Amino acid sequence: EAQVTQNPRYLITVTGKKLTVTCSQNMNHEYMSWYRQDPGLGLRQIYYSMNVEVTDKGDVPEGYKVSRKEKRNFPLILESPSPNQTSLYFCASSYTGGSYGYTFGSGTRLTVV
Amino acid sequence: DQQVKQNSPSLSVQEGRISILNCDYTNSMFDYFLWYKKYPAEGPTFLISISSIKDKNEDGRFTVFLNKSAKHLSLHIVPSQPGDSAVYFCAAKNQAGTALIFGKGTTLSVSS
Repeated sequence: EAQVTQNPRYLITVTGKKLTVTCSQNMNHEYMSWYRQDPGLGLRQIYYSMNVEVTDKGDVPEGYKVSRKEKRNFPLILESPSPNQTSLYFCASSYTGGSYGYTFGSGTRLTVV
Repeated sequence: DQQVKQNSPSLSVQEGRISILNCDYTNSMFDYFLWYKKYPAEGPTFLISISSIKDKNEDGRFTVFLNKSAKHLSLHIVPSQPGDSAVYFCAAKNQAGTALIFGKGTTLSVSS
């Protein structure tokens, strides 16, 4: 089944403790991206990757890092999480950067206390 | 400043009637628009899209209309079904092709 898999689905962590949210797709998509969804703000792009080793900032990149060492994986790294990073995170992939519909993962609900 | 706006946070319709969800955008350079549907505890799923060279696109019960002069698009669902109850996001592809810019979403409730 074609899908984007995120892990974990739920995570509660403490301020300052480094964490990684994994994202993997099995569709051989070149493009991958991370979004966060917050109440009243919709979905906002954090980082994106047009292909392996090619990443760039989205609209809200502060406090996040990403890497794209393999085509299928695009982990989101929070080096020192803070409470304002409490959010619902979605990973997405596509053959191109938006000309076709993105396929989204099921989301990761992160709470930083 | 929000480039894609969904001004109605919620919409309630009866089963069998038409649902009309609206979306406005500010950037006249946007050339591709999409609608996504999202159920609780799931990721958004692609519903329908439209290129700026068209003014209408249909897929079964779903039709998207684009009015470029007004910078407005709408999603029509006919007939509405209880399973259509979800959050609907309007999105536009940015000029660089590196992102979809989303509206805040409209929660549709279809009652039987």
